[in-house]
Amino acid sequence: KAGVTQTPRYLIKTRGQQVTLSCSPISGHRSVSWYQQTPGQGLQFLFEYFSETQRNKGNFPGRFSGRQFSNSRSEMNVSTLELGDSALYLCASSLEPLGAQYFGPGTRLLVL
Amino acid sequence: DQQVKQNSPSLSVQEGRISILNCDYTNSMFDYFLWYKKYPAEGPTFLISISSIKDKNEDGRFTVFLNKSAKHLSLHIVPSQPGDSAVYFCAAKINTGTASKLTFGTGTRLQVTL
Repeated sequence: KAGVTQTPRYLIKTRGQQVTLSCSPISGHRSVSWYQQTPGQGLQFLFEYFSETQRNKGNFPGRFSGRQFSNSRSEMNVSTLELGDSALYLCASSLEPLGAQYFGPGTRLLVL
Repeated sequence: DQQVKQNSPSLSVQEGRISILNCDYTNSMFDYFLWYKKYPAEGPTFLISISSIKDKNEDGRFTVFLNKSAKHLSLHIVPSQPGDSAVYFCAAKINTGTASKLTFGTGTRLQVTL
């Protein structure tokens, strides 16, 4: 069974631009969560989707948004990029909201 | 407010010895705890978990201990191997029945030396 895949793996953007990251969960997994990893803050929870509904949201500004499609694939969008948004963005899927989460390799975003 | 804390940013252990990674938490509502291992350029990999109704869970070389009264958990790796060198994150969640938000610690970098 294929693991969680994330595209693109690397991305360079400039301040003020917007970006969309994609995550394909493990087949059959319906819960998808997004995390931001930075050196000083560790992994910070962004939001979680289950059956196309956002179930939980972390403490990030409204510039960070997401959605989930009927096939459980999820996208995360960041608008008006800031330098501080440079980070590794990780997606994790689980069979159900309370199950163990399996992470993708992440998308490394660099904002210049 | 860091609800899950890993106070040791790094740890060096000789091959064959025991590695002990520690994690403290402040939110008494957490009732499920997990350990993840992360290699560079890869996403975290689930290692082992423990429910708050238990105080120990063992899986091969990995054992997690939970001390609820102290709000402390630890991961023991015995014997340590060079391939265990990675960053280890502890994570905690509240089983609300509707969401699976994980709160992570900042990680401990384990270096297993020959």
